[in-house]
Amino acid sequence: QVQLQQWGAGLLKPSETLSLTCSVYDGSFSGYFWSWIRQAPGKGLEWIGEIDHSSSTNNNPSFNYNPSLKTRVTISADASKSQFSLNLTSVTAADSAVYYCARRGSGWHTWGQGTLVTVSS
Amino acid sequence: DIQMTQSPSSLSASVGDRVTITCRASQMIMTYLNWYQQKPGKAPQLLIYAASYLQSGVPSRFSGSAFRTDFTLTISSLQPEDFATYYCQQSYSSPWTFGQGTKVEIK
Repeated sequence: QVQLQQWGAGLLKPSETLSLTCSVYDGSFSGYFWSWIRQAPGKGLEWIGEIDHSSSTNNNPSFNYNPSLKTRVTISADASKSQFSLNLTSVTAADSAVYYCARRGSGWHTWGQGTLVTVSS
Repeated sequence: DIQMTQSPSSLSASVGDRVTITCRASQMIMTYLNWYQQKPGKAPQLLIYAASYLQSGVPSRFSGSAFRTDFTLTISSLQPEDFATYYCQQSYSSPWTFGQGTKVEIK
């Protein structure tokens, strides 16, 4: 059964760049959408963006970002390592949240464990 | 963006109760609607996809239905492990959006 393991820095200062990586174990990296989703403390869920590896032409995956974050977000992937990453630039306190990686098929059916990221000076 | 509005925001219920949570989409989304359960400190878990299909491993007391832009999650007989927060999510049009959540608490 596929598992997602994520890691990255948990404490950032304002204006720094958030970087997280998610590794896929016991499952195919190709053929799926790989997403990042966040949840501010005590709040609901917000989709950040995803990389589309669902096509057979995996040399050119496509990307899809939430317009509310698009100018600051980059998602990348290394299929040879079965990993994908999130970069979010110029963070502020409003970006403090638990960040999840997830695999999307008919809904997000597999999730990472979550990483709490706190932005504080 | 498609707005998803859940009701109620919270409810109190007893073990054995039938519980219904509603989600309304701001526009037609066909049956591109998923439901998740989240317990404190844990990642959400997919319960129902495409409005009414039970995710593998999810107990049959959970069910989903759809009527136009209104969607319902029903728990037929609430169990102790069902006390959690539930989210709907539309997968019709990007950006994918969630409802604000419904917290199910013990009465």
